[in-house]
Amino acid sequence: QQQVKQSPQSLIVQKGGISIINCAYENTAFDYFPWYQQFPGKGPALLIAIRPDVSEKKEGRFTISFNKSAKQFSLHIMDSQPGDSATYFCAASIIGNTPLVFGKGTRLSVIA
Amino acid sequence: DAGVIQSPRHEVTEMGQEVTLRCKPISGHNSLFWYRQTMMRGLELLIYFNNNVPIDDSGMPEDRFSAKMPNASFSTLKIQPSEPRDSAVYFCASSLRNGQPTEQFFGPGTRLTVL
Repeated sequence: QQQVKQSPQSLIVQKGGISIINCAYENTAFDYFPWYQQFPGKGPALLIAIRPDVSEKKEGRFTISFNKSAKQFSLHIMDSQPGDSATYFCAASIIGNTPLVFGKGTRLSVIA
Repeated sequence: DAGVIQSPRHEVTEMGQEVTLRCKPISGHNSLFWYRQTMMRGLELLIYFNNNVPIDDSGMPEDRFSAKMPNASFSTLKIQPSEPRDSAVYFCASSLRNGQPTEQFFGPGTRLTVL
């Protein structure tokens, strides 16, 4: 019940295209859903996060869509750029109670 | 702030040797996490501390692994004896636990190779 399932494992997108990464969770007590971005040789870093009281959050080219009833959330990267090539992790937690539970990660390659 | 500091950045050792990984969290943070990252298993939480107290070590793979946090500014992860299957990147992360959603800041990681 603590798992977060992420798909796809890897993704290749043309420059300018839309990258979409999906995650699903089981624990309905989760109330914080961040996405982390990791470049090779670096630690993951927070990209964007959402609480379940909203269905969408947008920051620049990055958007989280959240479907509470389906227990799913996704990351959309609009106008994908080669600099977005990285590994993306979704995560979930219960604020103030549990540490983050991470998905297995999606390796995104944006090709010109 | 310099961020989360980990040392060494790379460690190559032989099977059976003791390995000690070190972490200095961001000043003022009261939660510290140790993760292991491999291609097969992704990012696994090994153990985490709140206010220097270990809260959950259920992710520690075996008794060969141990972690300590003697004070708010230092933590160690020790593997004794090390085995080739311990080869991975080990990350330390810290955050401020205050009942609000807060960012977990990761260090640059230690790449461990056990021959």
